[in-house]
This record gives sequence, C-alpha cells and structure tokens, in this order.
Amino acid sequence: QAVVTQEPSLTVSPGGTVTLTCGSSTGAVTSGHYPSWFQQKPGQAPRTLIYDTSKKDSWTPARFSGSLLGGKAALTLSGAQPEDEADYYCLLSDSGARVFGGGTKLTVL
Amino acid sequence: EVQLVESGGGLVKPGGSLRLSCAASGFTFTNAWLTWVRQAPGKGLEWVGRIKSRTDGGTTDYAAPVKGRFTISRDDSKNTFFLQMNSLKTEDTAVYYCTTENFWGQGTLVTVSS
Repeated sequence: QAVVTQEPSLTVSPGGTVTLTCGSSTGAVTSGHYPSWFQQKPGQAPRTLIYDTSKKDSWTPARFSGSLLGGKAALTLSGAQPEDEADYYCLLSDSGARVFGGGTKLTVL
Repeated sequence: EVQLVESGGGLVKPGGSLRLSCAASGFTFTNAWLTWVRQAPGKGLEWVGRIKSRTDGGTTDYAAPVKGRFTISRDDSKNTFFLQMNSLKTEDTAVYYCTTENFWGQGTLVTVSS
C-alpha cells in the first residue's frame, strides 16, 4: 500500500496564498490517482473540496483550486480567510483501494 | 437534499462484532460507489473500504488493516449500505463515516474496549 505524504502544518496570512501538496511513495501522482481534497474543522465531519484532481463541488469556495504540480497533487488557496483554518486531507487511488494522506493543519494567522 | 445517516455504533468488547448502516437519500443510490472512512480519536482520516455500484460490478475493496475482518454490502432496494465488522480490535475504535466521496454522513462512534 502506498504511503501518501502531506505537509504536517502550514501557516498563511489572511488574504495570502498557500499550496498544500500530496505525494505518493510509489512515484509521481497523476490524474489516474483521482486525487481528492477534504477539509475538516474540529468536531465536524469532513467536507469535500476537490475531486478528480481539479473538479469542484457546488459548495467549494472559488478561492480553492486543485492541480498537479511537480509530481504531486496540489490544493491552492488564494485569498485565505479566517474560516479556512482547518485540517486538510488528500486521498489517492492505489491498486484498487484509496489511501489518505496524514493531513495538513492549516493556520490562518 | 443529499443525506447520509450512519447508525449502529456503540461499545463492543475485543473480538466482538458490530454492523453499521448508512441510509442514503437525495441522489441516485444505485449508481453510487459507497465508501466507509474512519477516524480514531485525535488522528487523521483512514480509508476503510468501498463497494462499487452494481452496474460497475458491485465489487468491494478494503484497506489492509481490515481485510478479512470487515465486509461492506449494499441493499439498493433500501438505499442503504452496511459495514459488518468482525473480530474487532481496540485499534478499530474510531468515528466511522459513510461517504460517496462528495457527500458525507455525520459519523457514528465505535468503541472497542473490555
């Protein structure tokens, strides 16, 4: 089973831009890994932000975008808001199963 | 409005069994691939397993830690899918979420303790 890696923590200033990444121990992440990104705030269920690399759900704020960057999946937040402070998880396909990354704790400060 | 509602969580002894249910509404259930995800206290999300739609074969896939102990099934006539958990271990203690990977339930707590 692949190990999926994310930055443990990142800090962004209000109004700033930050990119979270998601790598795989098996090699470069491609669209064939069907990367998804989820946001989770304390005490709440996760919420889907991005699926299939870059597709957004109707509730996904426009300031979030997904892409592939340097062999990894990436979630970019442009114009961070205080309410974006949360844990973010990526999810990749691996040999028929799916594997979560360890999550990134994003602080907006 | 899409809803996913888990039920069946609770306290169980190590070695015991528990069956979780997820009742779905607001979308075409028969076309959906359905997934269980868990989160141990203070930890990250862990993918547990998935069942594909019947038209895509209805097959299941599981994470290594639960393979052979957990079974996912679905009842398309009732818009419900299930997670049968056998031979439970203390490390299975977690909040269990059902999800389509776009929509999520609120989770149900499973505690495995003597």
